[in-house]
Amino acid sequence: EDQVTQSPEALRLQEGESSSLNCSYTVSGLRGLFWYRQDPGKGPEFLFTLYSAGEEKEKERLKATLTKKESFLHITAPKPEDSATYLCAAGSTGGFKTIFGAGTRLFVKA
Amino acid sequence: GAVVSQHPSWVICKSGTSVKIECRSLDFQATTMFWYRQFPKQSLMLMATSNEGSKATYEQGVEKDKFLINHASLTLSTLTVTSAHPEDSSFYICSARRQGYSYNEQFFGPGTRLTVL
Repeated sequence: EDQVTQSPEALRLQEGESSSLNCSYTVSGLRGLFWYRQDPGKGPEFLFTLYSAGEEKEKERLKATLTKKESFLHITAPKPEDSATYLCAAGSTGGFKTIFGAGTRLFVKA
Repeated sequence: GAVVSQHPSWVICKSGTSVKIECRSLDFQATTMFWYRQFPKQSLMLMATSNEGSKATYEQGVEKDKFLINHASLTLSTLTVTSAHPEDSSFYICSARRQGYSYNEQFFGPGTRLTVL
């Protein structure tokens, strides 16, 4: 069964304290691994697509990496405005479905 | 690019009335659109998948007669909540997949907050 698991559920950081969010996936034929950011009361904002193991992508303080079993979202020197829920999703060739994880709620304190 | 809008952004209605939510892809054509429901502090729950010109595919447990979906064009999908009740109050979010792209990237709208009194 296709599944995406994110950890931790919540993460509290001090401003400037770098860390990583984990996304473990099990899908029948990966067709893209996606990261989104969601602020309260808003729709998810697209961040990255990773297509194959070994790929990395960066955007400002965020860097996403992908292996054959998991993806990491590294946050370098976070700022309070990085506080949000980060969602991971995996595209599956099985019915072209996208399976979403439950998200990691990130809190960055000044 | 890849902007999706939703209208209205919020709506309050009386129990028993119907509410229509529009989802538009503004700068691309969307062969497939998705409707999600999200409860506070929970993740997205897929309700249905709609393909332009065909009937929507509903997820298990979602009443198709209650949540009517129409995908009339490559840029517009609508969700109508019929005979709404307080338990239908939620945050509804649509997303769209771009035509011609082989990967499953979805681009989300800003969401619609529905409150049923």
